Amino acid sequence: DQQVKQNSPSLSVQEGRISILNCDYTNSMFDYFLWYKKYPAEGPTFLISISSIKDKNEDGRFTVFLNKSAKHLSLHIVPSQPGDSAVYFCAARADRGSTLGRLYFGRGTQLTVWP
Amino acid sequence: AAGVIQSPRHLIKEKRETATLKCYPIPRHDTVYWYQQGPGQDPQFLISFYEKMQSDKGSIPDRFSAQQFSDYHSELNMSSLELGDSALYFCASSSRLAGFFEQYFGPGTRLTVT
Repeated sequence: DQQVKQNSPSLSVQEGRISILNCDYTNSMFDYFLWYKKYPAEGPTFLISISSIKDKNEDGRFTVFLNKSAKHLSLHIVPSQPGDSAVYFCAARADRGSTLGRLYFGRGTQLTVWP
Repeated sequence: AAGVIQSPRHLIKEKRETATLKCYPIPRHDTVYWYQQGPGQDPQFLISFYEKMQSDKGSIPDRFSAQQFSDYHSELNMSSLELGDSALYFCASSSRLAGFFEQYFGPGTRLTVT
């Protein structure tokens, strides 16, 4: 049962434009959300995160928006650059007792930024 | 900055053999997580350790065991390997002082079972 869903397996965007990656979740106990970027043959690299008490977090070109009522979050990259081409994973965690941060991942979205 | 180190990076084993994967967390990180990512799949949580004690257990087969040592490195031991165990195995670390919020991943070990 996939509790974190990324329904778009791929996204292609022109350099300089905005990239919007979407993520939906089903578990209302999730209280923290993270985005990871992954290049081939490397591990996921932490990008940005947001707590469930916020609806927006910004870090440079990256902004994450959280809509708790819709159980939806999105990652905006502005402006997009060719070096942003990678697989982006959405992840969530729920602190319940002794879970201490187990992450639930989506299946990823392959972002391609073309010149 | 120091990152999570995993060894080996690649491993080829035959069915029914055993394998040991090692993970060295970021210095001063006290929590280690193991994830398995099958082809075209999302990473699935296997098990985690905090201060050398198992803190959480996910979909880890009984054929697998893991532990965290006094220097905080962790080892994932896999026995009676099956073809379906072929996957990327990631280790991640985090810190209780940082609230366990961000997990930092190693480059992974690609296990191929033939």
